Amino acid sequence: GQNIDQPTEMTATEGAIVQINCTYQTSGFNGLFWYQQHAGEAPTFLSYNVLDGLEEKGRFSSFLSRSKGYSYLLLKELQMKDSASYLCAVTDSNYQLIWGAGTKLIIKP
Amino acid sequence: GAVVSQHPSRVICKSGTSVKIECRSLDFQATTMFWYRQFPKQSLMLMATSNEGSKATYEQGVEKDKFLINHASLTLSTLTVTSAHPEDSSFYICSAHTGTSTYEQYFGPGTRLTVT
Repeated sequence: GQNIDQPTEMTATEGAIVQINCTYQTSGFNGLFWYQQHAGEAPTFLSYNVLDGLEEKGRFSSFLSRSKGYSYLLLKELQMKDSASYLCAVTDSNYQLIWGAGTKLIIKP
Repeated sequence: GAVVSQHPSRVICKSGTSVKIECRSLDFQATTMFWYRQFPKQSLMLMATSNEGSKATYEQGVEKDKFLINHASLTLSTLTVTSAHPEDSSFYICSAHTGTSTYEQYFGPGTRLTVT
């Protein structure tokens, strides 16, 4: 079956760095997405990785290793507004998005 | 660019009635639109995939006669929840696919449905 695993909840301190991991087993791979979702709102796009390596975009970076079926989202200089759920999603061989359950990130002052 | 709107944002209806939710891509043509449902503290669950001009493809366990999807144009898809029941209360989100190589989906703001 298809499966995406990410931690249920993480806590970090304002100004610090946090890494949210995602591992996947899917039938084929056509890219991995990270989305941010605040409570009661729709997800917003953060990053897309299809090749191995690190993609940096401001305070957020995303890493992919296809051979390991592994990705992480790195958030630097954490702000209170970063408190949200972070969803990992993989596009499989049929170009369908398979969603992880999301990681709830709690930022403390 | 790539803005998706949904209407209404919130709706309360009585049990047994039907509710229509509209999803529009405002500044691009969406070859494919997706409908998701999200219950509190759970991840998004894909309900169906719709391509303009053809019948929607429903995920296993989703009743096609209860959740009617019409993708009449490249910028509009509608989801009608027929004979709504309290267990249908949920957050319904649509997304649209632009057809680019990244296959990125752009999400609408969501519709909060409450069935009393």
